[in-house]
Amino acid sequence: AQSVTQLDSHVSVSEGTPVLLRCNYSSSYSPSLFWYVQHPNKGLQLLLKYTSAATLVKGINGFEAEFKKSETSFHLTKPSAHMSDAAEYFCVVSVFSGGYQKVTFGTGTKLQVIP
Amino acid sequence: NAGVTQTPKFRVLKTGQSMTLLCAQDMNHEYMYWYRQDPGMGLRLIHYSVGEGTTAKGEVPDGYNVSRLKKQNFLLGLESAAPSQTSVYFCASSTPAGFNSPLHFGNGTRLTVT
Repeated sequence: AQSVTQLDSHVSVSEGTPVLLRCNYSSSYSPSLFWYVQHPNKGLQLLLKYTSAATLVKGINGFEAEFKKSETSFHLTKPSAHMSDAAEYFCVVSVFSGGYQKVTFGTGTKLQVIP
Repeated sequence: NAGVTQTPKFRVLKTGQSMTLLCAQDMNHEYMYWYRQDPGMGLRLIHYSVGEGTTAKGEVPDGYNVSRLKKQNFLLGLESAAPSQTSVYFCASSTPAGFNSPLHFGNGTRLTVT
């Protein structure tokens, strides 16, 4: 079984300040982990993925995430928030089980960026 | 490069009506998925397909049917719509390269059942 917990449903930051979106996971297997972003009325876009190569993963638009196995965490960070970062972010865990790619989504974190 | 295309973008149904949502992908992906997105619940898998002619149930399949007659298309059907099926529906596709293949999403279909 696998699960994903996004610890904050809403995060509010001022423009230019750091962003931290928290994600914890559990999985019976060694998972791959992803972060997706969803802007209003849009589909989900891949931000970054962890696939056991390097624990610090860099993604698009200045985002990065660090995989910490001991803490079962995969938090998303950005040094300086931009207005265009306002969106909903989903942490996702994926394993290959039962013949298909089993993907589990977190419930999402809405990021508000204050000018 | 179109990627994953969903039609229609919006639809309003009355209880008991039927409809079909179409998903088309031009990336030659083997796997395709239908999800529904509801506030505070993330995305939940309805049905999926690991190849042409094959489909399987996800975690919330009741009230839905699917078909994958062509590799590039994955149809989601509602035979008798209910208000509980009001949601945003997303189609996704991926390659069978193991568990680290990202999903590619369409832009969603917003369905309202009155």
